[in-house]
Amino acid sequence: AQTVTQSQPEMSVQEAETVTLSCTYDTSENNYYLFWYKQPPSRQMILVIRQEAYKQQNATENRFSVNFQKAAKSFSLKISDSQLGDTAMYFCAFMLDSGAGSYQLTFGKGTKLSVIP
Amino acid sequence: GAGVSQSPSNKVTEKGKDVELRCDPISGHTALYWYRQSLGQGLEFLIYFQGNSAPDKSGLPSDRFSAERTGGSVSTLTIQRTQQEDSAVYLCASSPRRGIEAFFGQGTRLTVV
Repeated sequence: AQTVTQSQPEMSVQEAETVTLSCTYDTSENNYYLFWYKQPPSRQMILVIRQEAYKQQNATENRFSVNFQKAAKSFSLKISDSQLGDTAMYFCAFMLDSGAGSYQLTFGKGTKLSVIP
Repeated sequence: GAGVSQSPSNKVTEKGKDVELRCDPISGHTALYWYRQSLGQGLEFLIYFQGNSAPDKSGLPSDRFSAERTGGSVSTLTIQRTQQEDSAVYLCASSPRRGIEAFFGQGTRLTVV
């Protein structure tokens, strides 16, 4: 079974500053996908960024980027120029590409990020 | 286009009653997931449907929980003889194919009193 660990239950950052959220995962498989989701107080889960494990290049989406270290099984999220609207719970997620059958999406316990004006 | 729709948004039920939670996935999405999120906690996997394959039920916490997906579209999660520990937000998500992110509904907040 795959596990996802987010070691920072809560974090805060000043507006316009940069913050990095940590995520590690445990798997013996080689093909998988990684995601970061954001859940604001509205409860709606929103995809922030995704990474295919077979790609060495780190994914980037505007102010959001990841540092994917496959050997270390680490997948951190960097938010640059933090904005008040970034305040939310952030979840790291793992999806195994088994080639057949289940593509269960496993989540970490989340990091609560507060952006301070 | 419409996103994933869940109903009801909120449900209060008495301990011991049965409840049904509904999920309408995005049209054409073959994969459908159910998760449970307790207050301030992460997402606990419950069940996963993929096309016509047998569902992955490995996350269902007890035999009081069951789910079905009719015609490869709408899904219903049923909780029988509800207990107070069943109180949580139940999230449904769908995905068009493997490796593609899951799109979530806004969830059903279940409160068992």
